[in-house]
Amino acid sequence: NAGVTQTPKFQVLKTGQSMTLQCAQDMNHNSMYWYRQDPGMGLRLIYYSASEGTTDKGEVPNGYNVSRLNKREFSLRLESAAPSQTSVYFCASSEAQGQETQYFGPGTRLLVL
Amino acid sequence: SQKIEQNSEALNIQEGKTATLTCNYTNYSPAYLQWYRQDPGRGPVFLLLIRENEKEKRKERLKVTFDTTLKQSLFHITASQPADSATYLCALDTGGGNKLTFGTGTQLKVEL
Repeated sequence: NAGVTQTPKFQVLKTGQSMTLQCAQDMNHNSMYWYRQDPGMGLRLIYYSASEGTTDKGEVPNGYNVSRLNKREFSLRLESAAPSQTSVYFCASSEAQGQETQYFGPGTRLLVL
Repeated sequence: SQKIEQNSEALNIQEGKTATLTCNYTNYSPAYLQWYRQDPGRGPVFLLLIRENEKEKRKERLKVTFDTTLKQSLFHITASQPADSATYLCALDTGGGNKLTFGTGTQLKVEL
């Protein structure tokens, strides 16, 4: 099992460009999450999907959109990148209610110039 | 406001000693609390979960305590080794859908 995979590993964007971060899990988990991690701020939840077909905002959703394409895949889209979105982005997944452990991907490092 | 606090300063200890990391929170009533380990350039890895009705949880050299009155969790690594050097994050359950809120983490360095 690969666990949680993320692509790309690293990306440089210019202000105003758009991109989609991809995430996939092969553990048959129901819930998936997108976080960003900034120095001194810790991990902050951007969006999550409790189950296939549902998505909800987290703590810092502005400037992002998500798609739960199927049970395996959860993508994060930046429509018009801003320097404030320079960060490390982590995708995570967990089983259904009652199985709270989250499994994280390796992260995507995004630099917006 | 809701807040989770972990020691922001790095903790340096000698090999073989017990490392104790602290996680304090305010304005939460979490059903459970988790500890994760994060190595540089990698995603967090789950270590332990402790529920609100549990005082203590152990796993090999790791021990977690949870005091809901003090709103504090302590994370202990006994007989620490250089391989234990990493950043340790605490995370609290903050609502349905398995939503977690993370602390900023404490960097632990175990020296020979």
